[in-house]
Amino acid sequence: QKEVEQNSGPLSVPEGAIASLNCTYSDRGSQSFFWYRQYSGKSPELIMFIYSNGDKEDGRFTAQLNKASQYVSLLIRDSQPSDSATYLCAVKIDYGQNFVFGPGTRLSVLP
Amino acid sequence: DVKVTQSSRYLVKRTGEKVFLECVQDMDHENMFWYRQDPGLGLRLIYFSYDVKMKEKGDIPEGYSVSREKKERFSLILESASTNQTSMYLCASSLSPGDSPLHFGNGTRLTVT
Repeated sequence: QKEVEQNSGPLSVPEGAIASLNCTYSDRGSQSFFWYRQYSGKSPELIMFIYSNGDKEDGRFTAQLNKASQYVSLLIRDSQPSDSATYLCAVKIDYGQNFVFGPGTRLSVLP
Repeated sequence: DVKVTQSSRYLVKRTGEKVFLECVQDMDHENMFWYRQDPGLGLRLIYFSYDVKMKEKGDIPEGYSVSREKKERFSLILESASTNQTSMYLCASSLSPGDSPLHFGNGTRLTVT
């Protein structure tokens, strides 16, 4: 059973702080890792993806991947109230086309 | 930009009705997916398709079927709607290479009464 785990939250951070969202996965064959943001009542939207160990930065967002530890994280710098949403971690196994999603972490950025 | 369009944003159907949810993507993606999302249960895969006329069962296919007659269109069919199929239904598409992300439609909120 391929599993992706996330803390459900809510994770509360003050405006301007760094929010750190974590995700672990069980299948060592996982090759591609994606972070989605989902506002209440809306569909998930892609924030960023990462394939190689290390950090990948895109604006205020940084994804970090450690395949040895089977761990991927998303850092949001200078958090804004508009970042308040549920963040979904998704993992894709190289030999298939399917994505495995975590349950999501609800982030609340307090003004 | 990839556009995935679901035909209805909100639907209300009666128990026992046959329900069709339509999804169209405009980026020539090989793969298309249907998920449902329920509070506390997350995203669950119903069916996916990696080519025209091809389909694969996901985690919860019972009570559903799908049709993919054209590459851009993927339909989800509820053969006989039941109240436990009340949910948010999300269509998504992706290219085949392993590093391609999923692109979601806006979702259809289905209520079965």
